[in-house]
Amino acid sequence: QLQLLESGPGLVQPSETLSLTCSVSGGSISTNNYYCAWIRQPPGKELEWIANIYYTGTTYYNPSLKSRVTISVDTAKNQVSLKLTSVTAADTAMYYCTFRPGSLRGHDAFDIWGRGTMVTVSS
Amino acid sequence: EIMMTQSPATLSVSPGESASLSCRASQSVGSNLAWYQQKPGQAPRLLIYGASTRATGIPARFRGSGSGTEFTLSISSLQSEDFAVYFCQQYNDWPPITFGQGTRLEFK
Repeated sequence: QLQLLESGPGLVQPSETLSLTCSVSGGSISTNNYYCAWIRQPPGKELEWIANIYYTGTTYYNPSLKSRVTISVDTAKNQVSLKLTSVTAADTAMYYCTFRPGSLRGHDAFDIWGRGTMVTVSS
Repeated sequence: EIMMTQSPATLSVSPGESASLSCRASQSVGSNLAWYQQKPGQAPRLLIYGASTRATGIPARFRGSGSGTEFTLSISSLQSEDFAVYFCQQYNDWPPITFGQGTRLEFK
């Protein structure tokens, strides 16, 4: 079973670029069994899907964030990264790394979650 | 973008009773719907996918039903650990994958 650990800066200045990393253990991400997504949740609010990346490198983005987001994978490090540019206070949220396991093939639901990393955008 | 609307926002129920949570999609999502449970300070936990299939390790008291635009998560014999926030998610037509705003299930 995969285990996910998100890491990030905690506090980001407005207009700067947010960089997050999801470190994966318990399996290789360079297989066709999984794909990874980043999902965020502002305090007390609903979940918002940000992006998906497949083992092939294929990516999908939320249209509302697409111009500012890049998701990438480093198979050598078994890590998935997320970059979000030009952040504002509206980007303050808990950011979760999550995987769709092979057992759910055909269903884009997320059964493996990290604990999340809180990001606050403030000067 | 498909909008997901959950009702009620808050549901007050006593332990041992049953609860029904509703999720409505702005257009048909077929059976491509998932339910998650989230407790304070924790990541969401997948309960149901494919509208009615329980995820691994989910007790049988959780039951998902519905198709198209109307879905229900039913929880029978509520236990203390079931009081949490529940979200629905559609994955029929994306991007974007979209979530409902959540229903908080609380002690009555």
